[in-house]
Amino acid sequence: SYELTQPPSVSVSPGQTANITCSGDALPKQYGYWYQQKLGRAPVLVIYQDTERPSVIPERFSGSKSGTTVTLTITGVQAEDEADYYCQSGDNSDFYPVVFGGGTKLTVL
Amino acid sequence: EVQLVQSGAEVRKPGESLKISCKASGYSFSTHWIGWVRQMPGKGLEWMGIIYPGDSDTRYSPSFQGQVTISADKSLNTAFLQWSRLKASDTATYFCARGFYSSKWDYYFDSWGKGTLVTLSS
Repeated sequence: SYELTQPPSVSVSPGQTANITCSGDALPKQYGYWYQQKLGRAPVLVIYQDTERPSVIPERFSGSKSGTTVTLTITGVQAEDEADYYCQSGDNSDFYPVVFGGGTKLTVL
Repeated sequence: EVQLVQSGAEVRKPGESLKISCKASGYSFSTHWIGWVRQMPGKGLEWMGIIYPGDSDTRYSPSFQGQVTISADKSLNTAFLQWSRLKASDTATYFCARGFYSSKWDYYFDSWGKGTLVTLSS
């Protein structure tokens, strides 16, 4: 089966920039998506189609892609950004059109 | 406003059947995909499957094919996830989410229900 690889944890101080990466062999041909999930809550889409941000998501959230890696960047991290972040993509086949990464716990120090 | 309202928490015994629901409002139910995602306690998100209520076209993750059934009732604006025989390992929170099919043969989810906690206890 297809896998997306994320670091288990990232820590930053308030006001700094957080970069969360997600690697997968099919990412050069597929879109990357990012979801934020706070403790006990449902996931929220924060980035779609690699770089697009839903209108309700703050501008400090941005997405990028280079080769087999997509990156979620949070510029000027705030305490409220502490959450689990999941990347998602497809494997460019009918078998796994939806695959989630293992998730990254963002800790705001 | 898009809303997905899921049915309440359930406690079942292994071997029992179960059907949980996800009622949509605020958009055209028939013309948008609805997906289901499992989250086991303390673990990550796992895609289970997705349905297009307009024609009931359904796709399952190979990991969940044959283990669950996904359906939808257009007249009720409601999608369903069901098990014929639950296992202890089915203990998890199950989320429904509105899906979009992209130009690159994948789906993503822009609105999510709050989740239904299913607990298996003997």
